[in-house]
Amino acid sequence: SYVLTQPPSVSVAPEKTARITCGGNNIGSKSVHWYQQKPGQAPVLVIYYDRDRPSGIPERFSGSNSGNTATLTISRVEAGDEADYYCQVWDSSTDHVVFGGGTKLTVL
Amino acid sequence: EVQLLESGGGLVQPGGSLRLSCAASGFTFSSYAMSWVRQAPGKGLEWVSVISGSGDTTYYADSVKGRFTISRDNSKNTLDLQMNSLRAEDTAVYYCAKDELTAPGTNPVDYWGQGTLVTVSS
Repeated sequence: SYVLTQPPSVSVAPEKTARITCGGNNIGSKSVHWYQQKPGQAPVLVIYYDRDRPSGIPERFSGSNSGNTATLTISRVEAGDEADYYCQVWDSSTDHVVFGGGTKLTVL
Repeated sequence: EVQLLESGGGLVQPGGSLRLSCAASGFTFSSYAMSWVRQAPGKGLEWVSVISGSGDTTYYADSVKGRFTISRDNSKNTLDLQMNSLRAEDTAVYYCAKDELTAPGTNPVDYWGQGTLVTVSS
């Protein structure tokens, strides 16, 4: 089965740039979606189809996907960005949705 | 405004059954695939199942295949998850989720419910 690997945690100072990676075999050939989940809340879609932003998501959130790594980049990080972030793809070989293990973003 | 309201969670003994429901509003329900995603306490997101807008295509995670059944009633705008032979490892918050497109596949979940807690314990 297809596996997505995320770092368990990323720490960044306010106003700096956070990069959260999502590794998978030839993930660049797949469409990657990213979700933000704050404590006690449901997830929220922040990036879809690798790099598109839903309405209402700040331009500070961006995405890229190439080779074996997809990346969620958050520029000018704010305290309110502190959350868990999950990447997700569709595995067409098994017709399964696959989530990464999640990354906890801490704003120092 | 899209709204997804789950119900049916609770405490059930191992080996027991439970049926979750999700009432949807604010969009043309039959035009979108719907999913169930769960999250065990303190753990990450785990996909459970997805059903196409028409209801004729369903897929399941290996961990629930043969025990859980997803279904929908497009006349009532409801999504269900029948859970049988429940195990302790099925304990989680279960989220009802709307997909972006009609058919399951590469599309994302664009709306989530608030979740309902299922606890499997004796």
